[in-house]
Amino acid sequence: DTGVSQDPRHKITKRGQNVTFRCDPISEHNRLYWYRQTLGQGPEFLTYFQNEAQLEKSRLLSDRFSAERPKGSFSTLEIQRTEQGDSAMYLCASSSRTGPYGYTFGSGTRLTVV
Amino acid sequence: GDSVTQMEGPVTLSEEAFLTINCTYTATGYPSLFWYVQYPGEGLQLLLKATKADDKGSNKGFEATYRKETTSFHLEKGSVQVSDSAVYFCAPLGSQGNLIFGKGTKLSVKP
Repeated sequence: DTGVSQDPRHKITKRGQNVTFRCDPISEHNRLYWYRQTLGQGPEFLTYFQNEAQLEKSRLLSDRFSAERPKGSFSTLEIQRTEQGDSAMYLCASSSRTGPYGYTFGSGTRLTVV
Repeated sequence: GDSVTQMEGPVTLSEEAFLTINCTYTATGYPSLFWYVQYPGEGLQLLLKATKADDKGSNKGFEATYRKETTSFHLEKGSVQVSDSAVYFCAPLGSQGNLIFGKGTKLSVKP
């Protein structure tokens, strides 16, 4: 088990372009979470999946953001028409069930919008 | 809604000093509580957790006790080391099933 993998590690894009990030969770984990972290702040919840179902979405997730987990395994997070305010670290985490088990986080994808 | 308030940093201590990082939360019921740590250049790692009132979570010399009366989960360590320099995040499990993170407290330990 190699933990939670995120790709790419870094992404620089021009304002207005679309970007897509990928997350591969720990294989036996059925829950997958996306968070966003800006410099000096804690991670902010964006959305999460149980298997392929998207169960919760934060109001931070504007209509330019979309996430999928088509087969209940890997997930993608797409940002359309990127803005400079989207520059952040995007974190993915997975867990095996609800309750007191905590999450395993990936190393994140750092997005810079220029 | 669910929220967490964490002691502002940065905190600078000398090696072997005592550490306390305060954390209080607002949540429905009695959520599970977590501390995560982020070492420089690394991802978030689970440090310790507590699942019910009066539980004490511990790991790597760090401890935190779930106090439902004060809705607190303060992190403590009796003798910090330079290698403990990191950012520490308190995180209750929210009613929607997701962790809610504080802003983080940066700890710097000087030799």
